[in-house]
Amino acid sequence: DAKTTQPNSMESNEEEPVHLPCNHSTISGTDYIHWYRQLPSQGPEYVIHGLTSNVNNRMASLAIAEDRKSSTLILHRATLRDAAVYYCILRAYSGAGSYQLTFGKGTKLSVIP
Amino acid sequence: GAGVSQSPRYKVAKRGQDVALRCDPISGHVSLFWYQQALGQGPEFLTYFQNEAQLDKSGLPSDRFFAERPEGSVSTLKIQRTQQEDSAVYLCASSLGPASGGSTDTQYFGPGTRLTVL
Repeated sequence: DAKTTQPNSMESNEEEPVHLPCNHSTISGTDYIHWYRQLPSQGPEYVIHGLTSNVNNRMASLAIAEDRKSSTLILHRATLRDAAVYYCILRAYSGAGSYQLTFGKGTKLSVIP
Repeated sequence: GAGVSQSPRYKVAKRGQDVALRCDPISGHVSLFWYQQALGQGPEFLTYFQNEAQLDKSGLPSDRFFAERPEGSVSTLKIQRTQQEDSAVYLCASSLGPASGGSTDTQYFGPGTRLTVL
């Protein structure tokens, strides 16, 4: 399975932009890049996903490198509520019938007031 | 609208006991996933249902783990003869369409059931 590499932790000041990097050098052409986040004591929450082009939604932006070997999740203005573990995930067919999410350890984002 | 719900939220079991964890997915969602999350780790896939069919159970750690979704809605994860290493948060997720990797594939997670085996 293609894997992702993320920093263990990052810090950001409140109301400043945050760029969360993810490396996925073994990505295949059909793998979608998904981002989920998990707030303390909650289940993971979908943030954004993309294939080749950059994507924007109300929560964040996803910038995908031209060679697709890396991507960056951008939170435009971090708030205290954005403090969470952020997971970068490649969706790929498992061969056993499903496209499960394969989580790594993610990046723990701390937001400083 | 209602999201994914799980019950109980917390379960304490003595080693050797059987437990049953329930998941109520979002109404109309075809796909249902179970994940196990150990402390400090990311969730790990256990099993996947498309409607009532269990299409993938490759992540179940042993034959003590059993999942069912008999009518294609509510699902139950059963663990027989619990062991201390089964202590974890068990997460359920559902998605609208069959698992495909595309846009209808967003998974919506419940809050999880925290299982502690003494």
